[in-house]
Amino acid sequence: NAGVTQTPKFRILKIGQSMTLQCAQDMNHNYMYWYRQDPGMGLKLIYYSVGAGITDKGEVPNGYNVSRSTTEDFPLRLELAAPSQTSVYFCASSYNNEQFFGPGTRLTVL
Amino acid sequence: QKEVEQNSGPLSVPEGAIASLNCTYSDRVSQSFFWYRQYSGKSPELIMSIYSNGDKEDGRFTAQLNKASQYVSLLIRDSQPSDSATYLCAVNWGGSQGNLIFGKGTKLSVKP
Repeated sequence: NAGVTQTPKFRILKIGQSMTLQCAQDMNHNYMYWYRQDPGMGLKLIYYSVGAGITDKGEVPNGYNVSRSTTEDFPLRLELAAPSQTSVYFCASSYNNEQFFGPGTRLTVL
Repeated sequence: QKEVEQNSGPLSVPEGAIASLNCTYSDRVSQSFFWYRQYSGKSPELIMSIYSNGDKEDGRFTAQLNKASQYVSLLIRDSQPSDSATYLCAVNWGGSQGNLIFGKGTKLSVKP
């Protein structure tokens, strides 16, 4: 099993550009999550999904959108990128409350 | 307000010593508690989960939970330089799988 995979690993965006961060898992987990982590800070939940077709907002959803058309994939969309969205983004999936993380995407908005 | 508090450290211990990491949380109804290890530049890795009051041991790691005091801790015995990392405490908020709240983490440094 590859576990949770994320692409790209690194990305630099200009202010106002848009992009999609990809996340996939091959463990057949229903629950998936998107977090951001800023330096010296804990993980902040952006969005989560309890299954295909079902998503909900987390603590910091503004400026982001998600979709969940399959169990495997949970992409995160950034519209009109802003410098405040410079962060490391982690995708995770869970089974029995235990969350497993992907390797992360380091995003810089200039 | 949902809060998970950890001492940011750094906590420095000599090799072979016991490292003690502490975490307090504000939600009395929380049922699930987790410790993650995060090496610099890497993603968090689950190392312990605990659901009931008391101690849970796994190798050199022991998690301790006291729900009455809203306190969870992680002990690392025979600390090794490879244990040097940031340790994140996470608490399941309100009993839902979608609501893990993370502390900011404690940076541990194990000196040879």
